[in-house]
Amino acid sequence: QKEVEQNSGPLSVPEGAIASLNCTYSDRVSQSFFWYRQYSGKSPELIMSIYSNGDKEDGRFTAQLNKASQYVSLLIRDSQPSDSATYLCAVNRDATNKLIFGTGTLLAVQP
Amino acid sequence: DGGITQSPKYLFRKEGQNVTLSCEQNLNHDAMYWYRQDPGQGLRLIYYSQIVNDFQKGDIAEGYSVSREKKESFPLTVTSAQKNPTAFYLCASSIPALNTEAFFGQGTRLTVV
Repeated sequence: QKEVEQNSGPLSVPEGAIASLNCTYSDRVSQSFFWYRQYSGKSPELIMSIYSNGDKEDGRFTAQLNKASQYVSLLIRDSQPSDSATYLCAVNRDATNKLIFGTGTLLAVQP
Repeated sequence: DGGITQSPKYLFRKEGQNVTLSCEQNLNHDAMYWYRQDPGQGLRLIYYSQIVNDFQKGDIAEGYSVSREKKESFPLTVTSAQKNPTAFYLCASSIPALNTEAFFGQGTRLTVV
């Protein structure tokens, strides 16, 4: 079982719709959770971080964490073509800040 | 501007050669990391360093070496022992504490010719 699992996609949504990206992790002691966006050929950039159960909203983005189910998700409201990218879920187990990444989900927003 | 600088952006290596990828940061971060990304894959950790003069192997350290002589610098050497080195290499840095994100450089794309 992979430590961090994501559906590779592609996930295709129409412009203006809600995109829902999901991630599961295997280590129950995981403490910190991050969503990075990566455009093709570029380096990842941080979109959201979440540390406690529940929802965290930042503009059009909402991260959701459920530690009991070992599940973290990212919702993108009013999706735009510029949101088309690969979204990487990352998990940090301890204070070494050694991030473990999923394989990423490719999101395609159709104009 | 504060940030992480990787060089070169593109690098070509002949079979059997060692090459060194540069990573410099001026964010005053103690922790630095090297990741490898293959097409359609996530990031896999090669080496990480929490403090100067100390570093640890990640999940795929074989065929790679690093040094951390200065806080600002964490170069990665891809040795001839690495059998499949063609990949996108990403350097990152962070404050080595829980609940802090990692910041990435722009990456180096290494190709074996």
